[in-house]
Amino acid sequence: AQSVTQLDSQVPVFEEAPVELRCNYSSSVSVYLFWYVQYPNQGLQLLLKYLSGSTLVKGINGFEAEFNKSQTSFHLRKPSVHISDTAEYFCAVSGGSEKLVFGKGTKLTVNP
Amino acid sequence: DAGVIQSPRHEVTEMGQEVTLRCKPISGHDYLFWYRQTMMRGLELLIYFNNNVPIDDSGMPEDRFSAKMPNASFSTLKIQPSEPRDSAVYFCASSFYTWGELFFGEGSRLTVL
Repeated sequence: AQSVTQLDSQVPVFEEAPVELRCNYSSSVSVYLFWYVQYPNQGLQLLLKYLSGSTLVKGINGFEAEFNKSQTSFHLRKPSVHISDTAEYFCAVSGGSEKLVFGKGTKLTVNP
Repeated sequence: DAGVIQSPRHEVTEMGQEVTLRCKPISGHDYLFWYRQTMMRGLELLIYFNNNVPIDDSGMPEDRFSAKMPNASFSTLKIQPSEPRDSAVYFCASSFYTWGELFFGEGSRLTVL
C-alpha cells in the first residue's frame, strides 16, 4: 500500500521569494505522483503529475516538481511566488492500479 | 465539458434530518469518488465506483452513510440521520482510471446543527 507524508502543514513566505513544499511517499511498486492545489472554497485541481520519463515535471502557474526515487520524494518548487499562490497544496501517490492516496496538505500563505 | 457538478453547494440542516448530496461526473469517466474534507481529518476517501458499481466503501464512516450510482451520469451520497460531526465539505471526483488524474467538483459544504 502507498502512503504520503507532507512534512510541513503550513508554509508562510513573502511575495517573490522561492518556495519548496516537501512530499515523501512510500510504495512497494512503481508510482505515479501528483500535486493538486485547492484555492479557498474550491475543489482540488491538478497542478502537475509524474507518470514516467523526465524526473523534472513542470506544471501550471510556474510550479515544478522533481521525482527522486532514491529519496522517495516529490517536492514542489516555485522560484518566485505571488499572492495568488496562497492555497492549500496536496501531494498524492498511486501505484499500479491502486487508487490515489493523498497527503494531509500544506497551506501556503504568501505575504506582501 | 462542464466538469464535475455537485449540488447543493451549501446545506444547513438540523441533527436527525436526512441529507442527500448529488454529483454528475464528467461524461466518459468510468470512476467516481466521494471524499470528505474536514480540518481535523483532512481529505478522506469515502467510497468509489467503477462503471456504476461500488468497488471500495471501506471509508464510509458508519451505516448512516450510503452512496448510490444508478447510472453513469449521476451519483448520490446520503446521510440518514445526520449528526453535527458530519459537518464537512463533501467532494465528488471522477476520472478515467483509479490511478490517474482526478477531476473534482466544487464541493458541498454541509453544516449539521
